[in-house]
Amino acid sequence: DADVTQTPRNRITKTGKRIMLECSQTKGHDRMYWYRQDPGLGLRLIYYSFDVKDINKGEISDGYSVSRQAQAKFSLSLESAIPNQTALYFCATRAGQGQFGELFFGEGSRLTVL
Amino acid sequence: SQQGEEDPQALSIQEGENATMNCSYKTSINNLQWYRQNSGRGLVHLILIRSNEREKHSGRLRVTLDTSKKSSSLLITASRAADTASYFCATGDTGRRALTFGSGTRLQVQP
Repeated sequence: DADVTQTPRNRITKTGKRIMLECSQTKGHDRMYWYRQDPGLGLRLIYYSFDVKDINKGEISDGYSVSRQAQAKFSLSLESAIPNQTALYFCATRAGQGQFGELFFGEGSRLTVL
Repeated sequence: SQQGEEDPQALSIQEGENATMNCSYKTSINNLQWYRQNSGRGLVHLILIRSNEREKHSGRLRVTLDTSKKSSSLLITASRAADTASYFCATGDTGRRALTFGSGTRLQVQP
């Protein structure tokens, strides 16, 4: 089983619909992240969390919200989806303590908003 | 905003050749990491170099870091078709609590 699991892997929805992307991890990491990937733009940070009570906005948080339900679960919501939110979304985790350390990524959730 | 910018955006080489990708960044960092992404898949960590290091090796990978020029390079030696992927640099600095990624280099290794 994957250490970082994202669901759904693919989703097509319509403008105005509410969408939730879920992420769960078995690595026991405190730090969890949501990134968005668009062609030619690399990855951009949406939200991140260092523990259940610590939620922080990234560089492109507008139009998104998150919930850290437990140490292992971090969900991303689009309250009212719009077409320019069509992208590949990645959840990632990192071990806590210090400023170093690698990110472990899920396989991504491809979202299409029509 | 993008912290790291990779160069070139795309690179096509023959199997057995070396591939070099460059990354430039804007602010002071405490570490720089390289990641690989196979088409449409999650990113996988390759190597981390700290700001007080100048060069690091891992198998066929060699990473250099020049903090005075705010740049890093990733060299893949004796490339294989299986090295075909996108490669991203990511920087960490004391002022931010998350890595900032560049736009990536798409590497195509022709068999």
